[in-house]
Amino acid sequence: DAEITQSPRHKITETGRQVTLACHQTWNHNNMFWYRQDLGHGLRLIHYSYGVQDTNKGEVSDGYSVSRSNTEDLPLTLESAASSQTSVYFCASSELSTGELFFGEGSRLTVL
Amino acid sequence: GNSVTQMEGPVTLSEEAFLTINCTYTATGYPSLFWYVQYPGEGLQLLLKATKADDKGSNKGFEATYRKETTSFHLEKGSVQVSDSAVYFCALTYGGATNKLIFGTGTLLAVQP
Repeated sequence: DAEITQSPRHKITETGRQVTLACHQTWNHNNMFWYRQDLGHGLRLIHYSYGVQDTNKGEVSDGYSVSRSNTEDLPLTLESAASSQTSVYFCASSELSTGELFFGEGSRLTVL
Repeated sequence: GNSVTQMEGPVTLSEEAFLTINCTYTATGYPSLFWYVQYPGEGLQLLLKATKADDKGSNKGFEATYRKETTSFHLEKGSVQVSDSAVYFCALTYGGATNKLIFGTGTLLAVQP
């Protein structure tokens, strides 16, 4: 079965360190997304990609970057982690015709 | 711009009670509408969807009808169970190659035995 996986599922890091969260999907979807989920804010879009070599900023992109070198992967990098980036991060990919999103299980990041 | 507004939670119900979670949207044209559910400790998963006006999406006893005249997509279930306790998100998209999913802020449902 096709799936979308995230790693690590849990990460604790220190302020100022670089962190990369991996996302891998086997749906062969062109569209991929990174969201963060925080209490009181629901899901907020960080970055998204419509295909290889394409990346776009979402509503909360400051301090984050992504790269898309193949269809399957969209890693999310925090260049210099800040305590405000403590959150649960979700990767998703979408079906072209309906826009339905398929989500990973999430990565919980704690920045101390 | 496009947006989704959900009723604020938490919604607390007793088992077998009737559930309604309100969702209204602002959009031009004819978006597709979705309800996603997030069980504790898990990612979001699609609960149901409707792609055109008057369509009814249904799954696991939940239903929602795409009402263009009232720009609404309210989620209903006739008899909730403890296992339905979760966060429910309403969302819309136009689909296609370059469209993003726009989410509401989510509604926490807690069902007590």
